[in-house]
Amino acid sequence: DTGVSQDPRHKITKRGQNVTFRCDPISEHNRLYWYRQTLGQGPEFLTYFQNEAQLEKSRLLSDRFSAERPKGSFSTLEIQRTEQGDSAMYLCASSLNRRGRTSTDTQYFGPGTRLTVL
Amino acid sequence: EDQVTQSPEALRLQEGESSSLNCSYTVSGLRGLFWYRQDPGKGPEFLFTLYSAGEEKEKERLKATLTKKESFLHITAPKPEDSATYLCAVLPPGSARQLTFGSGTQLTVLP
Repeated sequence: DTGVSQDPRHKITKRGQNVTFRCDPISEHNRLYWYRQTLGQGPEFLTYFQNEAQLEKSRLLSDRFSAERPKGSFSTLEIQRTEQGDSAMYLCASSLNRRGRTSTDTQYFGPGTRLTVL
Repeated sequence: EDQVTQSPEALRLQEGESSSLNCSYTVSGLRGLFWYRQDPGKGPEFLFTLYSAGEEKEKERLKATLTKKESFLHITAPKPEDSATYLCAVLPPGSARQLTFGSGTQLTVLP
């Protein structure tokens, strides 16, 4: 399977603990995105990488959230001092942007990581 | 602020009963409108991208159309396996790369 993969699929943690999620994009894709989705809502954008550079961050991404994409391959999303309001599905997506083209590149999503904060 | 509104919130159809889902948006200078299908507990699955008013795309029983202010997802003779939440998203103008999603339409097709 060459789609976007995420790990773990489910995470249960206690309030105040730190958690880290991993995303492996489609191999040739140079853009990677993180979204958060709560029940009954569409995904909300968190942050976006072009290769290893983090180019955009949403105001939803508080100081407790940090994302990295070392070497422009996989990405990690860390949440420090988790709160019950952080409970959600965290989705990763990737896309391919071809240099020199005005792009509306299609984002392909992974299966998500379901976080429950007790 | 860019807005994407989907209607209805939920739709129940009998197998074979065709219908349409609506996605209206307030974005000016739209760079793309995307339809995704999402099954419970899974990530969104890409269906279509539409770029300009008048454009249409088809895949099996689904057909997506786009006007200047809204998009429709037409479902012809649906089957129970078409049951899912259908999400619409827009890519606004400028350098922003993030999709703005609607809340989705939850479709149930009864056998």
